[in-house]
Amino acid sequence: NAGVTQTPKFRVLKTGQSMTLLCAQDMNHEYMYWYRQDPGMGLRLIHYSVGEGTTAKGEVPDGYNVSRLKKQNFLLGLESAAPSQTSVYFCASRRQGWEMNTEAFFGQGTRLTVV
Amino acid sequence: EDKVVQSPLSLVVHEGDTVTLNCSYEVTNFRSLLWYKQEKKAPTFLFMLTSSGIEKKSGRLSSILDKKELFSILNITATQTGDSAIYLCAVMETSGSRLTFGEGTQLTVNP
Repeated sequence: NAGVTQTPKFRVLKTGQSMTLLCAQDMNHEYMYWYRQDPGMGLRLIHYSVGEGTTAKGEVPDGYNVSRLKKQNFLLGLESAAPSQTSVYFCASRRQGWEMNTEAFFGQGTRLTVV
Repeated sequence: EDKVVQSPLSLVVHEGDTVTLNCSYEVTNFRSLLWYKQEKKAPTFLFMLTSSGIEKKSGRLSSILDKKELFSILNITATQTGDSAIYLCAVMETSGSRLTFGEGTQLTVNP
């Protein structure tokens, strides 16, 4: 029962390098999210997706791109990493709707350092 | 733009104390409010609140929503060191797609 799995768990990048973070969920959830968490700033929404093939911008989308080619996977890309993107990244997924049992489930996070 | 504000941002108490965490929100089309607990890594779900005045309870934790005044509180009674964590509040708007979080409250419970 994996739930939401993020890879990698840790990564160090040099400024200007690119990378992709992978989020995979096995709960058949329609909605998926990418957040970043910085000290004292809670979780800030980067991009989200309401279904396969659709994505939308969140609060802090600049410098990131996403793709959802398969329902179970949501990829977050950094084309040219900057030190300001040093953060902990969380992926989450949830069932469509707002009734009970539609809460978001989170992955374990990816700690990214850009030097 | 949706806004969620939590207070206090940080709180230090002794075991056995009772704490109240606050969450206020400004959301165009509010649908529900969620509370999460974050210890080392991933946030874990505590409560979802959709109706005003109905208390949700789980052990020593309880929460209530006031949709008229646009806020929610999370109460923890007889705190234990294991309650030390960041408590996050989030709101969901009517379309059900966006989930917006507040800054979190860092709770530290000392023995």
